[in-house]
Amino acid sequence: KNEVEQSPQNLTAQEGEFITINCSYSVGISALHWLQQHPGGGIVSLFMLSSGKKKHGRLIATINIQEKHSSLHITASHPRDSAVYICAVRSRQGAQKLVFGQGTRLTINP
Amino acid sequence: ETGVTQSPTHLIKTRGQQVTLRCSSQSGHNTVSWYQQALGQGPQFIFQYYREEENGRGNFPPRFSGLQFPNYSSELNVNALELDDSALYLCASSLPGDTGELFFGEGSRLTVL
Repeated sequence: KNEVEQSPQNLTAQEGEFITINCSYSVGISALHWLQQHPGGGIVSLFMLSSGKKKHGRLIATINIQEKHSSLHITASHPRDSAVYICAVRSRQGAQKLVFGQGTRLTINP
Repeated sequence: ETGVTQSPTHLIKTRGQQVTLRCSSQSGHNTVSWYQQALGQGPQFIFQYYREEENGRGNFPPRFSGLQFPNYSSELNVNALELDDSALYLCASSLPGDTGELFFGEGSRLTVL
């Protein structure tokens, strides 16, 4: 079992829909990152969380430390949101190691 | 624009050859980490450098090595290339500490034939 699991692996929705991507992890962490990767490879950091909730524009990220779970929400989704969304955690024990989920491929159709 | 640049963007090598990938970080970001991303997979941590010293390593053999320079640039070297080394190699810079935000480069796509 991977230390970081994301669901769903693939998600297709219509423009305007509310999107939720989930991330569960099995280790104690010091921080959790949500990342966005577009075709071609470049990765952009969306959020870094250690507790609570953060909002940036139409994106909202939440984390529940006790349940070892985080969610990324996209409101009023748009085709330009189509990308792979990756959850990554920094373990409290693994020194500097960052462990990544497999990613969720999101496609928003117009 | 993350302020992190990688070169080359694409390259092709043959088995047994050696490759050097380069990363230029933002000024002041004295922590750099390297990741390998195989097609369809999430990135895997290779190693991290802080102030020119390796301070963390993932499950990669010694033929994966690195350097970090005082000008915030770094290198990933891979010797004796194998077919399975074909992947996207990403570097990310950050300020030191557990909760430093990450700034990724666009990656170097290596194909080993």
